[in-house]
Amino acid sequence: AQSVTQLDSQVPVFEEAPVELRCNYSSSVSVYLFWYVQYPNQGLQLLLKYLSGSTLVKGINGFEAEFNKSQTSFHLRKPSVHISDTAEYFCAVHGYSTLTFGKGTMLLVSP
Amino acid sequence: NAGVMQNPRHLVRRRGQEARLRCSPMKGHSHVYWYRQLPEEGLKFMVYLQKENIIDESGMPKERFSAEFPKEGPSILRIQQVVRGDSAAYFCASSQGEQETQYFGPGTRLLVL
Repeated sequence: AQSVTQLDSQVPVFEEAPVELRCNYSSSVSVYLFWYVQYPNQGLQLLLKYLSGSTLVKGINGFEAEFNKSQTSFHLRKPSVHISDTAEYFCAVHGYSTLTFGKGTMLLVSP
Repeated sequence: NAGVMQNPRHLVRRRGQEARLRCSPMKGHSHVYWYRQLPEEGLKFMVYLQKENIIDESGMPKERFSAEFPKEGPSILRIQQVVRGDSAAYFCASSQGEQETQYFGPGTRLLVL
């Protein structure tokens, strides 16, 4: 079975500040991990994914995430956020055929 | 290169009516997944289909919900006799293969009055 825990439901941050959105997972199968972003009233857009190889994964819009097997974490980071990054971010783990999502973290960027 | 298409984007139904949600996968994708997003919750898997086959329906409610992905045409998620608790955003995703990355459509937001 798979599960994903996103520890923060909301993360407020000022523009140009760094941000980290936390994600912990558990999985009984091979670990494929994803971050998706959802802008208001829109679908989910893939930010980045970890399948294998380098534990530091770079995605779109300046985001990156680091896979840490010993801590079963896949935290998302951005060194300097923009107002336009305000959205909900979902971490997900891929099981046999489906995705298991966390409850999401709302990133609120203010000027 | 069109992405995953869903229609309608918004759907309003009265209690007891039927809701039909459509999903056209990305070109070249033959695997379709349906997820439901309830307010302030993450997305929950409902069903996974390939052409003409239901592969995994472990997340589907046992009653009133059904899904199909015919040989021709879009995948359909059907909800019979809707109740207010069915109000949610329903997302479809598609992939090229079973372990491949899933790409999501814009969703259908169902409101049951």
